[in-house]
Amino acid sequence: KAGVTQTPRYLIKTRGQQVTLSCSPISGHRSVSWYQQTPGQGLQFLFEYFSETQRNKGNFPGRFSGRQFSNSRSEMNVSTLELGDSALYLCASSARTGDNEQYFGPGTRLTVT
Amino acid sequence: AQKITQTQPGMFVQEKEAVTLDCTYDTSDQSYGLFWYKQPSSGEMIFLIYQGSYDEQNATEGRYSLNFQKARKSANLVISASQLGDSAMYFCAMRPIKAAGNKLTFGGGTRVLVKP
Repeated sequence: KAGVTQTPRYLIKTRGQQVTLSCSPISGHRSVSWYQQTPGQGLQFLFEYFSETQRNKGNFPGRFSGRQFSNSRSEMNVSTLELGDSALYLCASSARTGDNEQYFGPGTRLTVT
Repeated sequence: AQKITQTQPGMFVQEKEAVTLDCTYDTSDQSYGLFWYKQPSSGEMIFLIYQGSYDEQNATEGRYSLNFQKARKSANLVISASQLGDSAMYFCAMRPIKAAGNKLTFGGGTRVLVKP
């Protein structure tokens, strides 16, 4: 069974640009969550999607948005990039929302210059 | 709101010895889950072990065990017989059960380096 995949793995963008990251969950999983990991703030929850609906949202500005498609694949978008958005973005999938075990992808490392 | 504290930023452990990673938490929820994840240098978070707040017995998964002390609000991870491959960052996390959802609150992590 294939694991969680994230594309791209590495990305370099310039301040002010926007970026879209993709996450394909494990087959059959319907919940996808996104996390931001930085050296200063650690791991922070961004949002969770379940069956194409946003279920939870973390404390991030509106520049961060996401969506989930009918095949459970999810995208997150960051508009008007700032230097502080440089981070490792991790996505995690589970079969249902509230599952004890979430499977994480390898992450997308975003660098904003 | 939940808060997780991991007071050990880094530690060395000799191969084949046991190591305990500390985790304390704070929450107003009555029902919650506690998790430990391992993050190797590759970046991927690997689920290790889960403990529910109402579980009477400490959770164990192979070489991993969780020392759960509810009154002290601590959920320490014990890794027995350390291996070189155990070198990684370790994160303690929690989420309320009643609210459902998959939102995890993470601690700051502990870096473990296993010496041969």
